[in-house]
Amino acid sequence: KNEVEQSPQNLTAQEGEFITINCSYSVGISALHWLQQHPGGGIVSLFMLSSGKKKHGRLIATINIQEKHSSLHITASHPRDSAVYICAVQKGYGNKLVFGAGTILRVKS
Amino acid sequence: DTAVSQTPKYLVTQMGNDKSIKCEQNLGHDTMYWYKQDSKKFLKIMFSYNNKELIINETVPNRFSPKSPDKAHLNLHINSLELGDSAVYFCASSQEISNEQFFGPGTRLTVL
Repeated sequence: KNEVEQSPQNLTAQEGEFITINCSYSVGISALHWLQQHPGGGIVSLFMLSSGKKKHGRLIATINIQEKHSSLHITASHPRDSAVYICAVQKGYGNKLVFGAGTILRVKS
Repeated sequence: DTAVSQTPKYLVTQMGNDKSIKCEQNLGHDTMYWYKQDSKKFLKIMFSYNNKELIINETVPNRFSPKSPDKAHLNLHINSLELGDSAVYFCASSQEISNEQFFGPGTRLTVL
């Protein structure tokens, strides 16, 4: 079993909907990253967090260290949010990243 | 200005050949990484370098040899290419080991 599990694997939403993507992990970590991979393949870092909550525009990321769980929320979703969202935990020597399998999000207009 | 750049963007080659992928960052970061994304889009760390020193070597076959001539560059040389090496390879950089990472555009390697 992967150390990082994401759900759902696929998500289709209507424009304007509130979206939640979940990430659970089974190891001790120093931080958790949320990444976005565009349809063209490029990867962008959205958030890096080790506690609490962070907000950037319409995106909100939360983490509960005790429950080993993080969520990424998108408010007022838009077709341009369509992408793969990847959770990664930072752990161990060198703080290497271990990735989840990604959530494929499609927002329809 | 491109922050993290990789060349080439696409690489098609025959089995058994030796090839290199170059990565450069102009962010002044001291840590660089190589990741492999397989056909199922799963990302995995291969190597990381901090100030030109190897920090992570993640059970990668020794046909893969990273080289960091300076803090701004981390190149990946692959000997005796195999079919299973076909993937997208991403370079990334960060300021220190535990900070946000900035990714290059990726190099799609196809081994025939």
